[in-house]
Amino acid sequence: GIQVEQSPPDLILQEGANSTLRCNFSDSVNNLQWFHQNPWGQLINLFYIPSGTKQNGRLSATTVATERYSLLYISSSQTTDSGVYFCAVSFRIKAAGNKLTFGGGTRVLVKP
Amino acid sequence: NAGVTQTPKFRVLKTGQSMTLLCAQDMNHEYMYWYRQDPGMGLRLIHYSVGEGTTAKGEVPDGYNVSRLKKQNFLLGLESAAPSQTSVYFCASSYERTNEQYFGPGTRLTVT
Repeated sequence: GIQVEQSPPDLILQEGANSTLRCNFSDSVNNLQWFHQNPWGQLINLFYIPSGTKQNGRLSATTVATERYSLLYISSSQTTDSGVYFCAVSFRIKAAGNKLTFGGGTRVLVKP
Repeated sequence: NAGVTQTPKFRVLKTGQSMTLLCAQDMNHEYMYWYRQDPGMGLRLIHYSVGEGTTAKGEVPDGYNVSRLKKQNFLLGLESAAPSQTSVYFCASSYERTNEQYFGPGTRLTVT
């Protein structure tokens, strides 16, 4: 079935380290978003990236739609980067309906 | 420009009680969505609307009703709350189906 898988499920980083989070999806997509859910539960839009590469400060993302994956890079991590990172996609196929399908998330803890 | 707002932020209900959650957006978006997030999981779509006066079922619609009488507002109703509806509820909006979705701050609902 259609699905979104994120890896790794958990990540512990020392402040200043770099990391890569991965999102694999099972079918063609017309929307892919990365979110950061902070410890207070807020969902913060990081990137809208159905294809290509984008950068925003210390964060960047790349989606290779033909190979059905997206990567989120965190460089020089800070304690405020802690939280859960979600990848969510809207699949092209009609059976998927009109929704974002969320991956299971990557829980990131950045230690000082 | 407030984006997407939700009221209330927190609510505790007894089993069998009813309530309405309000979502408002000031971005003139056509599409609006209600999601729920259970502990340790990603979000799942409850209901959505593709325009004023229209609503449709999402992935987990049972026990909920919705209305979209005005373009900027999307209401989620629980007619007879059950403990299984304890969750965090997020509203989102987008200009079109394939466009970036913007999320509200969430409503934490506990049903005892």
